[in-house]
Amino acid sequence: DSGVTQTPKHLITATGQRVTLRCSPRSGDLSVYWYQQSLDQGLQFLIQYYNGEERAKGNILERFSAQQFPDLHSELNLSSLELGDSALYFCASSDLEGAAGVGTGELFFGEGSRLTVL
Amino acid sequence: AQSVTQPDIHITVSEGASLELRCNYSYGATPYLFWYVQSPGQGLQLLLKYFSGDTLVQGIKGFEAEFKRSQSSFNLRKPSVHWSDAAEYFCAVGVLDLSYVIFNYQLIWGAGTKLIIKP
Repeated sequence: DSGVTQTPKHLITATGQRVTLRCSPRSGDLSVYWYQQSLDQGLQFLIQYYNGEERAKGNILERFSAQQFPDLHSELNLSSLELGDSALYFCASSDLEGAAGVGTGELFFGEGSRLTVL
Repeated sequence: AQSVTQPDIHITVSEGASLELRCNYSYGATPYLFWYVQSPGQGLQLLLKYFSGDTLVQGIKGFEAEFKRSQSSFNLRKPSVHWSDAAEYFCAVGVLDLSYVIFNYQLIWGAGTKLIIKP
């Protein structure tokens, strides 16, 4: 158990719809990362938050957005869904925090949310 | 720019045979290096990591990896594979970006190597 919790585990929806994926990082981790993994694709970095602020953006579509709340949980919002958005969405948190860089730099992954768009 | 290369998309080995998965990275500073494993339909689990000290690191499930700075490599090895090792393996390098007021930290990922085990 990595300590990172993602809900829901599975989600089936239709094209054009909107869904929200939720992530709770490990206790004490301030950074949350979101990744997309499509069939036979590697990990595509979407976005990172650090203590409530957006820190880095990857290949995230404009139809997607995210936020990190004061309690450090994060939500990834996917709207106007298309068939190609079907994928595993992973959340991870990091133990490398602060200007001192304390920690090992490991990312701890949740089990993912599998989104199927029909 | 930082990058990670896993040159083998697929590797097939017989059960009981030895295994080596290759990983090369490009990064100007001393790297944090990681190997993760992903079983089908599962999340990513850390196998092992290197960030300082002994360049030969031991991980879970009998895996080890050796950091070779001169070759910018961090290859994963196992002396005898089991059918349960069939999975996808990802190499990653941890990159610090000090251009932020507070540093930013990212993992740069390789494309993954799918390991197939022959009975």
